[in-house]
Formats: sequence, C-alpha cells, structure tokens
Amino acid sequence: SQKIEQNSEALNIQEGKTATLTCNYTNYSPAYLQWYRQDPGRGPVFLLLIRENEKEKRKERLKVTFDTTLKQSLFHITASQPADSATYLCAPGVGSARQLTFGSGTQLTVLP
Amino acid sequence: DGGITQSPKYLFRKEGQNVTLSCEQNLNHDAMYWYRQDPGQGLRLIYYSQIVNDFQKGDIAEGYSVSREKKESFPLTVTSAQKNPTAFYLCASSIGLAGMGGEQFFGPGTRLTVL
Repeated sequence: SQKIEQNSEALNIQEGKTATLTCNYTNYSPAYLQWYRQDPGRGPVFLLLIRENEKEKRKERLKVTFDTTLKQSLFHITASQPADSATYLCAPGVGSARQLTFGSGTQLTVLP
Repeated sequence: DGGITQSPKYLFRKEGQNVTLSCEQNLNHDAMYWYRQDPGQGLRLIYYSQIVNDFQKGDIAEGYSVSREKKESFPLTVTSAQKNPTAFYLCASSIGLAGMGGEQFFGPGTRLTVL
C-alpha cells in the first residue's frame, strides 16, 4: 500500500540556521508533490508544488527538491526564524488520482 | 474576500446525537473535501465532491454523511454511528481534483468534542 513518511515528528533548530525536512514515499509514483504549513488549531496553508520533471523549486526562503529515484522530497527553510515554527505537511499526488494523501507532518520549532 | 469558512469553530455533542458541520466557499471551486485530523496524525480524507450532486467516499467515511446541493456548500454530518468522533475537522476546496495538481484551500476547522 502507499505510504508517506516524514522525518522525526519534531525538529528543533536555532534561528538563522537552515531547516531541512524530509518526505519519503513508497509504493508511489507521484506526478507532483505539495508542501503545506499548518499552525496549531488552524487549517493547512499551501506553500509549494513541485512536479516530477522539476528537480528543484524555490520561493523566497523556501526550497523544495524532488528525487524520484530516491522517492524523496526535501523541504528547506533558509535563515530560519521563530515565525517559521509550525507543522509542515507533504502531500504526494498521482496524476490519475481524485484525492490527495497527506503525510503526518513534521513539527518544526525555531529557537531564538 | 474569497475564502472558505467553517462553522462553528468549537462544537460539543452528546453521545448518540447527530451533528452537522458547515463548510462554505466563495472561490468558485468545483472540488470540495472533508478531512479529519487527530492529535499527532496527518489528515485523513472522509468524503470529497467533484461537482454538485456528486460525492465519493474517502478513506474513513463510515459514520459520516455529506451532501452537495450547491457548489458553494458541502456540509458534513457526523452520525451516532461514528464510534470516535472527537477530532479536528477540516474542509477544503480546489479548482479541480487532485490529479490536476491544484492547491487545496483549507477552512479554519471545527473542533468537535463528544461529551
């Protein structure tokens, strides 16, 4: 069955450092992968989408990579700030699918 | 402002009662979704709808029901058949279904507690 794994439930880093979050998937051949941010008690907010033919995507301090050979996506936040503290969810998508499946998320805490 | 709204934000229910969660969007999106989120877990899909008067079961539809009589509205009823209904419920919408890759817009959520 399809499985999505996001690295350790919680990640703590120091302000100014680069945070790297991992999303691994098995029994999947996603055509794209989405990343969302979720703050406590709120709905997720879309951040980035990367397609299978794209190796890397950037948006301001965010960078996403997509390695279909390793079946992995990495999500980087450079020059991290305490305001980046949140849970980040990955969601690989299959082109023929009618629904999106979400990983359980990684809770990031940026320490001042 | 365009967006997606859910009401109420907090809901308390006695065991054995049905309860309906509201979800409205003015984004003119065709697709709408209902997810359930439990502490420390990801989102699990309950139901989704691609078009008015059509909806499909997701991964955990048992004990839930939906309707899609208007494009803007996709209410979720949590029935007494749902054994463990206490959770955070999220509604979302997108221009098209997942296969198209479009982002999903989420509402603020409803936290349901069964007393």
